[in-house]
Amino acid sequence: RKEVEQDPGPFNVPEGATVAFNCTYSNSASQSFFWYRQDCRKEPKLLMSVYSSGNEDGRFTAQLNRASQYISLLIRDSKLSDSATYLCVVISGYSSASKIIFGSGTRLSIRP
Amino acid sequence: NAGVTQTPKFQVLKTGQSMTLQCAQDMNHEYMSWYRQDPGMGLRLIHYSVGAGITDQGEVPNGYNVSRSTTEDFPLRLLSAAPSQTSVYFCASSFSPPPASGGLYNEQFFGPGTRLTVL
Repeated sequence: RKEVEQDPGPFNVPEGATVAFNCTYSNSASQSFFWYRQDCRKEPKLLMSVYSSGNEDGRFTAQLNRASQYISLLIRDSKLSDSATYLCVVISGYSSASKIIFGSGTRLSIRP
Repeated sequence: NAGVTQTPKFQVLKTGQSMTLQCAQDMNHEYMSWYRQDPGMGLRLIHYSVGAGITDQGEVPNGYNVSRSTTEDFPLRLLSAAPSQTSVYFCASSFSPPPASGGLYNEQFFGPGTRLTVL
């Protein structure tokens, strides 16, 4: 089983829709969580950190569910420009044994 | 402030050739790393460095060498290229190595990538 798993999609939704996707992780000692966005043939860029209490940045909401070991990303009022691959990132372990693990990404396509 | 730069952007090699992918950052970041990205596999860590003079292996280190003689530069060397090394390579840096203070101290800044094809 992969340490971090994402539904690869693609999710194909109309402009203005709300879309959500999850990322599950296997190491219960995981400490930090992030969502990155990667446009086609570009490098990943940080979208937002995921805090224990959940956090919101404009149309984007990230949540952490430690009991079920997953993080989620909700996008409201989706725009054409939201089309991209969304990567979840989990940092697990402590000190020198800490690892940064990237999910393989969920592709999102917004149609007019 | 150029951020993280990588050269070359594209490269085609023949099996058995060697080459060095260059990576530099101007943000005085301690932590630098190299990833490869293959379809359906996500980003896999090749090597990383927590500071000048210190390097360590990641998940898929075989066939690659690194060095970190300065804070700014972290080149990746392919010793004898194989078709299995055809991939997109990303260099990344962050202020601190994980987990440190967590949060945005661990934000990874990526270079634009190098698309490598080995024939």
